[in-house]
Amino acid sequence: AQSVAQPEDQVNVAEGNPLTVKCTYSVSGNPYLFWYVQYPNRGLQFLLKYITGDNLVKGSYGFEAEFNKSQTSFHLKKPSALVSDSALYFCAVRGPAGNTPLVFGKGTRLSVIA
Amino acid sequence: KAGVTQTPRYLIKTRGQQVTLSCSPISGHRSVSWYQQTPGQGLQFLFEYFSETQRNKGNFPGRFSGRQFSNSRSEMNVSTLELGDSALYLCASRFDGGQHNEQFFGPGTRLTVL
Repeated sequence: AQSVAQPEDQVNVAEGNPLTVKCTYSVSGNPYLFWYVQYPNRGLQFLLKYITGDNLVKGSYGFEAEFNKSQTSFHLKKPSALVSDSALYFCAVRGPAGNTPLVFGKGTRLSVIA
Repeated sequence: KAGVTQTPRYLIKTRGQQVTLSCSPISGHRSVSWYQQTPGQGLQFLFEYFSETQRNKGNFPGRFSGRQFSNSRSEMNVSTLELGDSALYLCASRFDGGQHNEQFFGPGTRLTVL
């Protein structure tokens, strides 16, 4: 069965500093990996995904993520955090075959402090 | 292109009642998935429909059911509501059944069971 772990419930970072939100996954075969962001009282917004190819994926709002197969990780990064980046971030994985559903991590709350 | 819409946005019910939530996917999207989001359990997969057929089902009791219509609109029904059913119910659509395709989420329906 596939699963996702987001080891940090909360990440605090100062505005202008780089941020990292961690994600590790478990799946049979090559994974499809996704990051979503949720603002208060809103649905989830798609940020980026990894399918294959380049291990560094660029997404919306200046976010990027690095796929590391040996460490089974897909950490979300941004070079310079903004206060408006404060939100709940979800990592998700889907296996390569069949019709398996998208499985989400528990989420990491990011707080960017001015 | 309009996004995923969900109605109603907020709902208050009492224990024992039943409720029907509606989801209209992005035009052209044939896959609709439903998730339950709670602070304690995070995002849990309920079911997925593709071309009017349930393709996947999560680990929820039979009180939770759904269906999809020929225009890809979907409804989910919860019968005999319990206090623990209070949650944000999210609907997501994607273009087809491809494992690599990202899902686009609606704003959710906030269900409160009293």
